[in-house]
Amino acid sequence: DGGITQSPKYLFRKEGQNVTLSCEQNLNHDAMYWYRQDPGQGLRLIYYSQIVNDFQKGDIAEGYSVSREKKESFPLTVTSAQKNPTAFYLCASSGNRRDTQYFGPGTRLTVL
Amino acid sequence: AQSVTQPDIHITVSEGASLELRCNYSYGATPYLFWYVQSPGQGLQLLLKYFSGDTLVQGIKGFEAEFKRSQSSFNLRKPSVHWSDAAEYFCAVGDSGSARQLTFGSGTQLTVLP
Repeated sequence: DGGITQSPKYLFRKEGQNVTLSCEQNLNHDAMYWYRQDPGQGLRLIYYSQIVNDFQKGDIAEGYSVSREKKESFPLTVTSAQKNPTAFYLCASSGNRRDTQYFGPGTRLTVL
Repeated sequence: AQSVTQPDIHITVSEGASLELRCNYSYGATPYLFWYVQSPGQGLQLLLKYFSGDTLVQGIKGFEAEFKRSQSSFNLRKPSVHWSDAAEYFCAVGDSGSARQLTFGSGTQLTVLP
């Protein structure tokens, strides 16, 4: 089945630790995105990548990093510099410039 | 910069009643408009989208939306709500040059009473 997978579903981290969230897609989409969702604030764009080996900062990139070494994969690292990392993280992908974004099931990150 | 407003944070309707969720956008040119639905703890599922053409758009699960340029609105409607429609609904606007950069509204939580 084609789709977007995110792992793990739940993630717990101690303060001061970096953590990496996985996002994989088998839709052959060029573009991939990371969003952060907080209650009452909708979705905010962290990073996006339109092609392999290229990515751009979104609205709230501080404290996060990404890589795009393969078309299928777009991992997100939440660094210790992110002041308030507890949130629900959503990955999405899309095909050509006019295509819809399709979302993965999300990862809930909790900092203890 | 583009923006989206969903004025209703929470709406409650009875099963079988009609539904309208409001969405207003701010964008200079013709926007790309989307409605997504999210069940608790899940990702977003696309309900419908508007790129151009007919301003009344049909989507999945019996939903429809109407693009009104004069009112900068893209309201979501359903004639008869089912209990399974209880979820959070997000409106989003994209640049007409590319749907790749979306701005989302803050969402409307829908509760359905039996």
